[in-house]
Amino acid sequence: DSGVTQTPKHLITATGQRVTLRCSPRSGDLSVYWYQQSLDQGLQFLIQYYNGEERAKGNILERFSAQQFPDLHSELNLSSLELGDSALYFCASSVDRGNEQFFGPGTRLTVL
Amino acid sequence: AQSVSQHNHHVILSEAASLELGCNYSYGGTVNLFWYVQYPGQHLQLLLKYFSGDPLVKGIKGFEAEFIKSKFSFNLRKPSVQWSDTAEYFCAVSSWGKLQFGAGTQVVVTP
Repeated sequence: DSGVTQTPKHLITATGQRVTLRCSPRSGDLSVYWYQQSLDQGLQFLIQYYNGEERAKGNILERFSAQQFPDLHSELNLSSLELGDSALYFCASSVDRGNEQFFGPGTRLTVL
Repeated sequence: AQSVSQHNHHVILSEAASLELGCNYSYGGTVNLFWYVQYPGQHLQLLLKYFSGDPLVKGIKGFEAEFIKSKFSFNLRKPSVQWSDTAEYFCAVSSWGKLQFGAGTQVVVTP
């Protein structure tokens, strides 16, 4: 158990819908990262927040957005979902950037 | 462009065999290096990391890795694998907060 929690564990939805994935970092970690893992794209970095502010952006689509709240939990919002968005979405946290990241169990999103 | 490449996509070996997974990166400047493992159906777990100092790094479960700066490599090794080492292994490089992963190597250990 890494100390990073993610909800829900599984999510099944339809194309065109919007979903929100939630992540709670390890106690004391200020940075939260989101990753997408799919068979064809591998593990892709999406976005990083540090203490509530966006710090780095990766291959995140415009239909996706994220935020980190004052209590440091983070949400990843995925809208206008497409079949290709089906993937495992991982959240990770670290004390600060450059440090080792601890990964949550992931949310498996299936878009039908 | 910055990149992380893992030499093998799939490796199949027998129990007690030795394992070596290659990882090369192309980054300028200072980097932090990691190997993560993902067991079937589970999340990524850190095997080992290199920030500075001794280039031979020992991690959990008998794994070690060697950082060779001149070759931009960070290869993972284990002298004798077990069936429970069946997993996907990811090399990762951290630069300015972004952790970039290699494509992963699927390792299957047969009894």
